[in-house]
Amino acid sequence: DTAVSQTPKYLVTQMGNDKSIKCEQNLGHDTMYWYKQDSKKFLKIMFSYNNKELIINETVPNRFSPKSPDKAHLNLHINSLELGDSAVYFCASSQDDRLAATDTQYFGPGTRLTVL
Amino acid sequence: AQSVTQLGSHVSVSEGALVLLRCNYSSSVPPYLFWYVQYPNQGLQLLLKYTSAATLVKGINGFEAEFKKSETSFHLTKPSAHMSDAAEYFCAVSDALSGGYQKVTFGTGTKLQVIP
Repeated sequence: DTAVSQTPKYLVTQMGNDKSIKCEQNLGHDTMYWYKQDSKKFLKIMFSYNNKELIINETVPNRFSPKSPDKAHLNLHINSLELGDSAVYFCASSQDDRLAATDTQYFGPGTRLTVL
Repeated sequence: AQSVTQLGSHVSVSEGALVLLRCNYSSSVPPYLFWYVQYPNQGLQLLLKYTSAATLVKGINGFEAEFKKSETSFHLTKPSAHMSDAAEYFCAVSDALSGGYQKVTFGTGTKLQVIP
């Protein structure tokens, strides 16, 4: 029944490691997003994909690489993890309505990444 | 670029009292505005959105917001706070990107505490 799911929910790892976070949506939406929420709850867009095509790519270190194998999945791979990567990462999806700027975004439960 | 400013990072109200969370926007074009709520350890969910139809927008859980162009505001209100309203609230503005895609910029959030 879960609309947008993410795995894992918690991720604790050492600096320098490579890790992936997976996201899946069963809403039939065309667009998916990755957001980063820092310790002060500030939420910032990182990437968005529409039907496997990259749409938004904010100023994010190229250690972060999104991959969309199909329109229901958007995974986030992070190389050479740094202390500053510690945050909660949210996946979201939206359906392209007649006017996309009015779309509602549906968020996953988040993945709390801690880099030691 | 469009932006929103939330006044007050923390707001405390007594149970049964009026809830007022403030949001001002900056936009050169008519904006599309949203309020999202984040309960502890969860993802965000939509409370309501303004899409240039009615200026008074009603959302879930008894919340409503009024779009005031003259004041560039979109404040969120609820007549009577419940304990279950304790959460983080985010105001957001949506840009329409070329190609008809959406980019949402979130405010810094307001944490609502409800005192019994």
